[in-house]
Amino acid sequence: AQSVTQLGSHVSVSEGALVLLRCNYSSSVPPYLFWYVQYPNQGLQLLLKYTSAATLVKGINGFEAEFKKSETSFHLTKPSAHMSDAAEYFCAVSVAQFSGGYNKLIFGAGTRLAVHP
Amino acid sequence: NAGVTQTPKFQVLKTGQSMTLQCAQDMNHEYMSWYRQDPGMGLRLIHYSVGAGITDQGEVPNGYNVSRSTTEDFPLRLLSAAPSQTSVYFCASSRGGQGADTQYFGPGTRLTVL
Repeated sequence: AQSVTQLGSHVSVSEGALVLLRCNYSSSVPPYLFWYVQYPNQGLQLLLKYTSAATLVKGINGFEAEFKKSETSFHLTKPSAHMSDAAEYFCAVSVAQFSGGYNKLIFGAGTRLAVHP
Repeated sequence: NAGVTQTPKFQVLKTGQSMTLQCAQDMNHEYMSWYRQDPGMGLRLIHYSVGAGITDQGEVPNGYNVSRSTTEDFPLRLLSAAPSQTSVYFCASSRGGQGADTQYFGPGTRLTVL
């Protein structure tokens, strides 16, 4: 069964430091992978997605993620953290359903990123 | 485009009460879904719809009911609220249901059941 594991429920970095949020997936078929961000009291917003076109995916706000099949990983990085990056980040894998041709998202538990001055 | 809208933003219910969480989208998306978000568990799929008149169960459907009479609207009904249904509920929509399609989320409804 497909699943997503996010290592570290809380990550704290200094402003200007590298951000690295870890995501490992389990999938029996080539996956579609997503990173979403949730700012306080808001819904989820797509940061980036992997659709097999390129292993290094660039997203919004300077974030990027690299798909590594051998490591079953899709870690999210940003070279220099800003205070505005403080939020919760979710990794998700798209899973096909047998009825209706619908792909549901399986989410990881989330990683809360804190950025301090 | 308003995108995906949800009402109400907050709701407090007593055990046994019923209510409907509203969700609407103005992007002409065929696919819509409901998730609940609980601390440390990410989001879990409750019900989804692949078009008007077609719905199906997700991972955690018990205690919830849905219908889809129009493309735009996808309400979620709690027939008899229980404290275990205290959660944040998100509605999402996508143009297609295929693997690479992006799901767009509403702002959420925070529900407390006493």
